[in-house]
Amino acid sequence: SQQGEEDPQALSIQEGENATMNCSYKTSINNLQWYRQNSGRGLVHLILIRSNEREKHSGRLRVTLDTSKKSSSLLITASRAADTASYFCATGRGKSTFGDGTTLTVKP
Amino acid sequence: GAGVSQTPSNKVTEKGKYVELRCDPISGHTALYWYRQSLGQGPEFLIYFQGTGAADDSGLPNDRFFAVRPEGSVSTLKIQRTERGDSAVYLCASSLTPNSGGDSPLHFGNGTRLTVT
Repeated sequence: SQQGEEDPQALSIQEGENATMNCSYKTSINNLQWYRQNSGRGLVHLILIRSNEREKHSGRLRVTLDTSKKSSSLLITASRAADTASYFCATGRGKSTFGDGTTLTVKP
Repeated sequence: GAGVSQTPSNKVTEKGKYVELRCDPISGHTALYWYRQSLGQGPEFLIYFQGTGAADDSGLPNDRFFAVRPEGSVSTLKIQRTERGDSAVYLCASSLTPNSGGDSPLHFGNGTRLTVT
């Protein structure tokens, strides 16, 4: 079974709105990573948060981590049509294990 | 610099045939990973290498699948007696070091789309 599970499975918003995606995992982690995948392409690393961090920012991205609840969230502020993609969280030691992702559609 | 390169980008083969998928990682990256992704799903781990050796091959579905990385750089995923269920996108990724407590994100190639007819 997958270590990381994202929800919602699909999210559709208007340009300019914020998008929030959640990730839950099962076992202890060293870090948690978020990736984006555009259709027909490989995954692109967005941000990594260590287990001793609670929040991290990168541009319009904000990631939070709650190790007591084994969950993380990814917030994309002021979304753009170009943010349309699938988003995955990944955890693991050695190998990284992915969930099935959240498909985000940003309508212009 | 150059990213992870995967060839071919598309491969169509007949059921029962043998295929090889190639991955050229980022220069200097010691860890190399193979994943398989079906439509609408996340990447499914197959195997990862640290240098030349397979550090974890627990994701290989059966003995028809085999991967090598003889010189610690380029890797080849080999599938024997292909079945229609093997159809998927095969993704390769590399990282500077294995993600074992360090901050080493994975860098992915664009994948090889394998279709078994």
